[in-house]
Amino acid sequence: EDKVVQSPLSLVVHEGDTVTLNCSYEVTNFRSLLWYKQEKKAPTFLFMLTSSGIEKKSGRLSSILDKKELFSILNITATQTGDSAVYLCAVDRLGSQGNLIFGKGTKLSVKP
Amino acid sequence: DGGITQSPKYLFRKEGQNVTLSCEQNLNHDAMYWYRQDPGQGLRLIYYSQIVNDFQKGDIAEGYSVSREKKESFPLTVTSAQKNPTAFYLCASSTSGVQRDTQYFGPGTRLTVL
Repeated sequence: EDKVVQSPLSLVVHEGDTVTLNCSYEVTNFRSLLWYKQEKKAPTFLFMLTSSGIEKKSGRLSSILDKKELFSILNITATQTGDSAVYLCAVDRLGSQGNLIFGKGTKLSVKP
Repeated sequence: DGGITQSPKYLFRKEGQNVTLSCEQNLNHDAMYWYRQDPGQGLRLIYYSQIVNDFQKGDIAEGYSVSREKKESFPLTVTSAQKNPTAFYLCASSTSGVQRDTQYFGPGTRLTVL
């Protein structure tokens, strides 16, 4: 059965800390891995990763995919209280018509 | 202003009633999706549609129904057959096909059964 597992499920840090969120997957016909940020309402898109070893970066956030070991990490440097959210990882598969498989998410709380 | 809208934001239902959640998009996307999110859980797919007048069941379709009469609209009906309908419902849309892009989400509808 295809699955996506995120760890940790929750994390509390202080402003300025660097955090690493993990996402591992076991799926057939992998197409891409996506990261979303969810602050109480709609998940907002962060990154789509398709190739191993190529880092995607947006400001203080970055992400990388390892297709051999079947995982991805999302790094957030110099965290701010506005980074507090649930971070969702999802995997898209070839031939799936876009049906994403989501992990349970990592709830990040950044304390001032 | 392009995007996805969902209404209502909050919805209360008595047991035994059917309710319909609205989802509209003006992104010209072919594909639309409905997800359910429970506390501490990821998103689970209810139904999806790749084209007008066609839709498929997702992982948890029992107790739900949909229609896709227009490209812009993909309403979800939560029927009385759904055992635990209290949840947060998210609609998404994307381009379709082999070159499909990421999914973009609406703001969600929180359904509570009284």
